[in-house]
Amino acid sequence: EAQVTQNPRYLITVTGKKLTVTCSQNMNHEYMSWYRQDPGLGLRQIYYSMNVEVTDKGDVPEGYKVSRKEKRNFPLILESPSPNQTSLYFCASSLSSGQNTEAFFGQGTRLTVV
Amino acid sequence: KNQVEQSPQSLIILEGKNCTLQCNYTVSPFSNLRWYKQDTGRGPVSLTIMTFSENTKSNGRYTATLDADTKQSSLHITASQLSDSASYICVVSAINSGYALNFGKGTSLLVTP
Repeated sequence: EAQVTQNPRYLITVTGKKLTVTCSQNMNHEYMSWYRQDPGLGLRQIYYSMNVEVTDKGDVPEGYKVSRKEKRNFPLILESPSPNQTSLYFCASSLSSGQNTEAFFGQGTRLTVV
Repeated sequence: KNQVEQSPQSLIILEGKNCTLQCNYTVSPFSNLRWYKQDTGRGPVSLTIMTFSENTKSNGRYTATLDADTKQSSLHITASQLSDSASYICVVSAINSGYALNFGKGTSLLVTP
Protein backbone atom coordinates (compact mmCIF):
# COMPACT_ATOMS: atom_id res chain seq x y z
CA GLU A 1 0.00 0.00 0.00
CA ALA A 2 1.33 3.41 -1.02
CA GLN A 3 1.80 5.52 2.08
CA VAL A 4 3.74 8.08 4.05
CA THR A 5 4.58 6.85 7.54
CA GLN A 6 5.47 9.10 10.43
CA ASN A 7 6.72 8.05 13.85
CA PRO A 8 5.89 8.59 16.57
CA ARG A 9 2.23 9.61 16.35
CA TYR A 10 2.32 11.26 19.76
CA LEU A 11 5.29 12.63 21.71
CA ILE A 12 5.63 14.57 24.94
CA THR A 13 9.10 15.87 25.73
CA VAL A 14 10.86 18.45 27.86
CA THR A 15 12.45 21.67 26.73
CA GLY A 16 15.95 21.20 25.34
CA LYS A 17 15.86 17.45 24.88
CA LYS A 18 16.80 16.60 21.28
CA LEU A 19 14.24 14.60 19.33
CA THR A 20 13.73 13.19 15.85
CA VAL A 21 10.46 12.57 14.05
CA THR A 22 10.86 10.05 11.27
CA CYS A 23 9.11 10.09 7.89
CA SER A 24 9.25 7.36 5.30
CA GLN A 25 7.50 6.94 1.94
CA ASN A 26 7.29 3.83 -0.21
CA MET A 27 6.33 5.49 -3.51
CA ASN A 28 9.83 6.43 -4.77
CA HIS A 29 8.82 10.10 -4.62
CA GLU A 30 11.41 12.79 -5.28
CA TYR A 31 9.84 15.52 -3.22
CA MET A 32 9.27 15.42 0.52
CA SER A 33 8.35 18.15 2.96
CA TRP A 34 7.48 18.88 6.56
CA TYR A 35 4.63 21.05 7.77
CA ARG A 36 3.36 22.18 11.12
CA GLN A 37 -0.30 22.89 11.74
CA ASP A 38 -1.47 25.25 14.47
CA PRO A 39 -5.00 26.43 15.28
CA GLY A 40 -5.98 29.46 13.20
CA LEU A 41 -2.78 29.32 11.14
CA GLY A 42 -3.30 26.37 8.85
CA LEU A 43 -0.43 24.32 7.46
CA ARG A 44 2.96 26.01 7.22
CA GLN A 45 5.97 24.52 5.50
CA ILE A 46 9.07 23.95 7.63
CA TYR A 47 11.55 22.36 5.21
CA TYR A 48 11.40 20.56 1.90
CA SER A 49 13.63 18.31 -0.16
CA MET A 50 13.57 18.00 -3.93
CA ASN A 51 15.78 14.90 -3.95
CA VAL A 52 18.53 13.09 -2.06
CA GLU A 53 20.97 15.52 -0.42
CA VAL A 54 18.88 18.51 -1.62
CA THR A 55 17.01 20.36 1.13
CA ASP A 56 15.78 23.91 1.56
CA LYS A 57 13.97 26.08 4.07
CA GLY A 58 10.25 26.60 3.96
CA ASP A 59 8.30 29.37 5.66
CA VAL A 60 9.07 28.51 9.31
CA PRO A 61 12.44 26.70 9.50
CA GLU A 62 13.78 28.19 12.75
CA GLY A 63 14.54 25.56 15.38
CA TYR A 64 14.37 22.62 12.97
CA LYS A 65 16.81 20.56 10.93
CA VAL A 66 16.27 17.93 8.27
CA SER A 67 18.33 15.47 6.28
CA ARG A 68 17.75 13.47 3.10
CA LYS A 69 20.36 10.76 2.90
CA GLU A 70 18.02 8.30 1.20
CA LYS A 71 15.13 8.91 -1.14
CA ARG A 72 12.54 7.26 1.08
CA ASN A 73 13.39 8.94 4.41
CA PHE A 74 13.16 12.55 5.52
CA PRO A 75 13.56 12.93 9.29
CA LEU A 76 12.73 16.14 11.15
CA ILE A 77 15.16 17.00 13.93
CA LEU A 78 14.56 19.35 16.84
CA GLU A 79 17.97 19.92 18.42
CA SER A 80 16.65 21.88 21.41
CA PRO A 81 12.85 21.83 21.46
CA SER A 82 10.96 24.73 23.00
CA PRO A 83 7.31 25.04 24.05
CA ASN A 84 6.49 27.13 20.95
CA GLN A 85 7.25 24.03 18.88
CA THR A 86 4.27 22.28 20.40
CA SER A 87 2.22 21.52 17.31
CA LEU A 88 0.81 18.91 14.94
CA TYR A 89 3.42 17.94 12.35
CA PHE A 90 2.83 16.42 8.92
CA CYS A 91 5.23 14.93 6.43
CA ALA A 92 4.23 14.87 2.76
CA SER A 93 5.66 13.47 -0.46
CA SER A 94 4.97 13.80 -4.17
CA LEU A 95 6.46 12.34 -7.33
CA SER A 96 7.34 15.58 -9.06
CA SER A 97 6.28 19.17 -9.55
CA GLY A 98 3.97 18.40 -12.46
CA GLN A 99 0.60 20.11 -12.67
CA ASN A 100 -1.42 17.09 -11.60
CA THR A 101 1.04 15.66 -9.13
CA GLU A 102 -0.64 14.27 -6.04
CA ALA A 103 0.76 15.16 -2.62
CA PHE A 104 0.41 12.42 -0.02
CA PHE A 105 0.42 13.27 3.67
CA GLY A 106 1.38 11.19 6.66
CA GLN A 107 -0.96 10.66 9.59
CA GLY A 108 0.66 13.35 11.68
CA THR A 109 2.78 13.61 14.82
CA ARG A 110 1.36 15.51 17.76
CA LEU A 111 4.28 16.98 19.68
CA THR A 112 4.02 18.58 23.11
CA VAL A 113 7.07 20.35 24.59
CA VAL A 114 6.80 21.14 28.30
CA LYS B 1 2.42 37.69 -1.69
CA ASN B 2 0.61 34.50 -2.69
CA GLN B 3 -2.48 34.10 -0.55
CA VAL B 4 -5.36 31.67 -0.29
CA GLU B 5 -8.52 32.74 1.56
CA GLN B 6 -11.32 30.35 2.44
CA SER B 7 -14.86 30.99 3.58
CA PRO B 8 -16.75 30.37 5.67
CA GLN B 9 -14.36 29.59 8.51
CA SER B 10 -16.85 27.06 9.88
CA LEU B 11 -20.19 25.64 8.85
CA ILE B 12 -22.86 23.46 10.44
CA ILE B 13 -25.40 21.68 8.24
CA LEU B 14 -27.99 18.94 8.65
CA GLU B 15 -27.32 15.49 7.28
CA GLY B 16 -28.60 15.16 3.72
CA LYS B 17 -28.28 18.85 2.89
CA ASN B 18 -25.94 20.34 0.31
CA CYS B 19 -23.28 22.95 0.99
CA THR B 20 -20.70 25.02 -0.87
CA LEU B 21 -17.29 26.09 0.37
CA GLN B 22 -15.39 28.99 -1.18
CA CYS B 23 -11.73 29.62 -1.97
CA ASN B 24 -10.25 32.87 -3.33
CA TYR B 25 -6.60 33.11 -4.22
CA THR B 26 -4.00 35.59 -5.41
CA VAL B 27 -1.39 32.97 -6.36
CA SER B 28 0.21 33.85 -9.67
CA PRO B 29 1.06 32.57 -12.20
CA PHE B 30 -1.47 29.87 -11.49
CA SER B 31 -0.54 26.21 -11.88
CA ASN B 32 -3.15 24.12 -10.10
CA LEU B 33 -5.69 24.15 -7.30
CA ARG B 34 -6.38 21.27 -4.96
CA TRP B 35 -9.04 20.56 -2.38
CA TYR B 36 -8.13 18.36 0.57
CA LYS B 37 -10.28 16.80 3.28
CA GLN B 38 -8.71 16.56 6.72
CA ASP B 39 -10.34 14.55 9.47
CA THR B 40 -9.53 15.75 12.99
CA GLY B 41 -5.99 14.81 13.98
CA ARG B 42 -5.24 13.07 10.68
CA GLY B 43 -3.37 13.95 7.51
CA PRO B 44 -5.08 15.75 4.61
CA VAL B 45 -6.41 13.54 1.82
CA SER B 46 -6.79 14.81 -1.73
CA LEU B 47 -10.28 15.25 -3.18
CA THR B 48 -9.59 17.02 -6.49
CA ILE B 49 -6.82 18.67 -8.48
CA MET B 50 -7.63 21.21 -11.21
CA THR B 51 -5.37 22.94 -13.70
CA PHE B 52 -5.94 26.20 -15.54
CA SER B 53 -7.92 24.59 -18.34
CA GLU B 54 -10.36 22.73 -16.08
CA ASN B 55 -13.40 24.47 -14.65
CA THR B 56 -15.10 21.58 -12.92
CA LYS B 57 -14.09 18.23 -11.48
CA SER B 58 -16.07 15.71 -9.48
CA ASN B 59 -15.15 13.03 -6.99
CA GLY B 60 -18.30 11.22 -5.89
CA ARG B 61 -20.47 13.67 -3.96
CA TYR B 62 -17.75 16.34 -4.12
CA THR B 63 -17.68 18.74 -7.07
CA ALA B 64 -15.04 21.44 -7.38
CA THR B 65 -15.28 24.41 -9.72
CA LEU B 66 -12.59 26.80 -10.82
CA ASP B 67 -12.82 30.26 -12.35
CA ALA B 68 -9.24 31.17 -13.21
CA ASP B 69 -10.28 34.63 -14.41
CA THR B 70 -11.73 35.69 -11.07
CA LYS B 71 -9.33 33.43 -9.13
CA GLN B 72 -12.11 31.67 -7.30
CA SER B 73 -12.91 28.06 -6.59
CA SER B 74 -15.74 26.32 -4.82
CA LEU B 75 -16.27 22.87 -3.40
CA HIS B 76 -19.86 21.64 -3.47
CA ILE B 77 -20.89 18.72 -1.29
CA THR B 78 -24.10 16.98 -2.26
CA ALA B 79 -26.35 15.03 0.11
CA SER B 80 -24.00 15.45 3.06
CA GLN B 81 -23.22 12.55 5.37
CA LEU B 82 -22.00 12.52 8.97
CA SER B 83 -18.63 11.32 7.69
CA ASP B 84 -18.24 14.57 5.74
CA SER B 85 -17.55 16.34 9.04
CA ALA B 86 -13.96 17.50 8.60
CA SER B 87 -11.80 20.45 7.65
CA TYR B 88 -11.62 21.22 3.93
CA ILE B 89 -8.43 22.87 2.75
CA CYS B 90 -7.84 24.72 -0.52
CA VAL B 91 -4.26 24.57 -1.79
CA VAL B 92 -2.92 26.55 -4.76
CA SER B 93 0.39 26.16 -6.61
CA ALA B 94 2.18 28.63 -8.87
CA ILE B 95 4.03 27.83 -12.07
CA ASN B 96 7.79 27.70 -11.64
CA SER B 97 7.44 27.63 -7.86
CA GLY B 98 8.88 24.16 -7.65
CA TYR B 99 6.98 22.18 -5.10
CA ALA B 100 5.67 25.13 -3.07
CA LEU B 101 2.06 24.79 -1.94
CA ASN B 102 0.01 27.75 -0.72
CA PHE B 103 -2.49 26.57 1.88
CA GLY B 104 -5.76 28.14 2.92
CA LYS B 105 -6.66 27.93 6.61
CA GLY B 106 -9.53 25.59 5.89
CA THR B 107 -13.28 25.47 6.42
CA SER B 108 -14.43 23.34 9.33
CA LEU B 109 -17.62 21.50 8.39
CA LEU B 110 -19.88 19.79 10.93
CA VAL B 111 -22.72 17.61 9.65
CA THR B 112 -25.33 16.91 12.32
CA PRO B 113 -28.05 14.24 12.41
